[in-house]
Amino acid sequence: KAGVTQTPRYLIKTRGQQVTLSCSPISGHRSVSWYQQTPGQGLQFLFEYFSETQRNKGNFPGRFSGRQFSNSRSEMNVSTLELGDSALYLCASSPSTSLETQYFGPGTRLLVL
Amino acid sequence: QKEVEQNSGPLSVPEGAIASLNCTYSDRGSQSFFWYRQYSGKSPELIMSIYSNGDKEDGRFTAQLNKASQYVSLLIRDSQPSDSATYLCAVENTGNQFYFGTGTSLTVIP
Repeated sequence: KAGVTQTPRYLIKTRGQQVTLSCSPISGHRSVSWYQQTPGQGLQFLFEYFSETQRNKGNFPGRFSGRQFSNSRSEMNVSTLELGDSALYLCASSPSTSLETQYFGPGTRLLVL
Repeated sequence: QKEVEQNSGPLSVPEGAIASLNCTYSDRGSQSFFWYRQYSGKSPELIMSIYSNGDKEDGRFTAQLNKASQYVSLLIRDSQPSDSATYLCAVENTGNQFYFGTGTSLTVIP
């Protein structure tokens, strides 16, 4: 079974731009969660989608948004990029909402200049 | 106060020794606790989950939970160089939100 895939793997943007990251979950998984990982803050939960509905949201500003499509693929968008948005963005898929069944993708490394 | 706190390390132990990793959490009502391992440049992978007070063993790994002290630990027996990684503690709080610690870097010295 194919794992979680994320595209692109690397991205360089400048301040003020916007970016869209994509995540394809494991086949059959309906839950997709997004995380931001930085050296200083560690892994922080952004939001979780299940069957196209956002079920949970972390403490991030409204510049961070996401959506999920009917095939469970998910996208995350960050508008008006700031230098502090430079991070590894990880997507995790699960057949449920438990951390016990979450499988992480390889991540998208975003650098904001 | 952070939701989940871990000593960042680095923690170094000789091969064959016991590595002890600790984590505290702030939401007393949290019910689900997890340990993830993350190798450099890789994604986190689940090692252990624990839900009840006490110990839970899986091979060389033992997770310990003390809800009264809001404390979770992970013991790695017979540490191997391949155990060298960053270990992340994660907690699901009463609001069904997941919080991760910043991780403890472990190095096992051959």
